[in-house]
Amino acid sequence: QQQLQESGPGLVKPSGTLSLTCTVSGGSIISSSYYWTWIRQPPGKGLEWIGDFYYSGTTYYNPSLKSRVTISADTSKNEFSLMLTSVTAADTAVYYCARKNYLLRIFDSWGQGTLVSVSS
Amino acid sequence: EVVMTQSPDILSLSPGERATLSCKASQSVSADVAWYQQKPGQAPRLLMYGASIRATGIPARFSGSGSGTEFTLTISILQSEDFAVYYCQQYNNWPPYTFGPGTKLEI
Repeated sequence: QQQLQESGPGLVKPSGTLSLTCTVSGGSIISSSYYWTWIRQPPGKGLEWIGDFYYSGTTYYNPSLKSRVTISADTSKNEFSLMLTSVTAADTAVYYCARKNYLLRIFDSWGQGTLVSVSS
Repeated sequence: EVVMTQSPDILSLSPGERATLSCKASQSVSADVAWYQQKPGQAPRLLMYGASIRATGIPARFSGSGSGTEFTLTISILQSEDFAVYYCQQYNNWPPYTFGPGTKLEI
């Protein structure tokens, strides 16, 4: 069974860049069956989809974040990454990586999440 | 963007009772709705997709219904482990995928 684990700094300064990595174990991210996804959840609030990465290099981003987001992958390490630039306090959230079923388009496996705070 | 709304915000029930959670979409999303359960400090867990299909390992006391713009998640006999926050999500019209604000099911 695939497992996903987020890693990265827990604190980022305003106007800086948030960078997180999701390491996938138990299966390859080079798979036609799945997209690899980032979702976030501000403290005490709901869920916001950030974007998807497909092994072919195709990406989809939330239009509200598109100008600041990049999702990429390092297939040699079986991991994918999130970069979010020009962060503000509004970007403080728990960030989850997840797996999206290619055909069903549902998020069927999630990492445990990592809290990233934006503060000086 | 499809806006998902959920009601009620908070549902207070006791173990053994029946829970009915509602989700509405701002436009038709066919049956492309999923439900997730989230417990404190945990990641969401997929419960249902296709509005009415239980995900792997989900007990039969969970059921879903609806199509178009109105959807329902029903828990027939509440167990203590079912008290959590429930989110609906549409995947018909994307990007972006959108989630509802959640319903907190409390004892």
